[in-house]
Amino acid sequence: NAGVTQTPKFQVLKTGQSMTLQCAQDMNHEYMSWYRQDPGMGLRLIHYSVGAGITDQGEVPNGYNVSRSTTEDFPLRLLSAAPSQTSVYFCASNHRGHTDTQYFGPGTRLTVL
Amino acid sequence: RKEVEQDPGPFNVPEGATVAFNCTYSNSASQSFFWYRQDCRKEPKLLMSVYSSGNEDGRFTAQLNRASQYISLLIRDSKLSDSATYLCVVSLQTGANNLFFGTGTRLTVIP
Repeated sequence: NAGVTQTPKFQVLKTGQSMTLQCAQDMNHEYMSWYRQDPGMGLRLIHYSVGAGITDQGEVPNGYNVSRSTTEDFPLRLLSAAPSQTSVYFCASNHRGHTDTQYFGPGTRLTVL
Repeated sequence: RKEVEQDPGPFNVPEGATVAFNCTYSNSASQSFFWYRQDCRKEPKLLMSVYSSGNEDGRFTAQLNRASQYISLLIRDSKLSDSATYLCVVSLQTGANNLFFGTGTRLTVIP
């Protein structure tokens, strides 16, 4: 199993550009989540999904969209990038009810100029 | 007020030392508690869950004090490979996906 994969690993955007961060898992996990990690802030939940076709907002959803058309994929869209979205983004997945075994992807380092 | 607060450190300890980290959480309704480990520029990985009765995994011991709303992690006989950032994590619901992460405590084990 590849586990949780994320692409790209690094990305530089200009303010106002849009892009999609990709996340995929091959463990047949029902739940998937997106976090951002900033210095001094810890990881914060952006959006999450409990199954295909179902998404919900986390702590910091503004400026991001998600969709879950398949169990495997959970892309995160930045609609109009802002410097405040410079961060490291982690995708995670887990089986329903097994929050203690969240598997994280390797992360995407995003810089918005 | 942050949901989870940790001393950011850094903690610099010699090999073989015992080191303890504490973390406090603000919501008394919190149900599940974890310690994650994060190596530099890597993703977080679950180290251990924390149960009310306390639990041990080799050189690592985790304790939960619900009355005082704090969680601790004790590492005995520190190894160089223990150098990492340790994240305290809390969930309001058992099995829910809404995890709250502390900022992490950085540990460096010195030869």
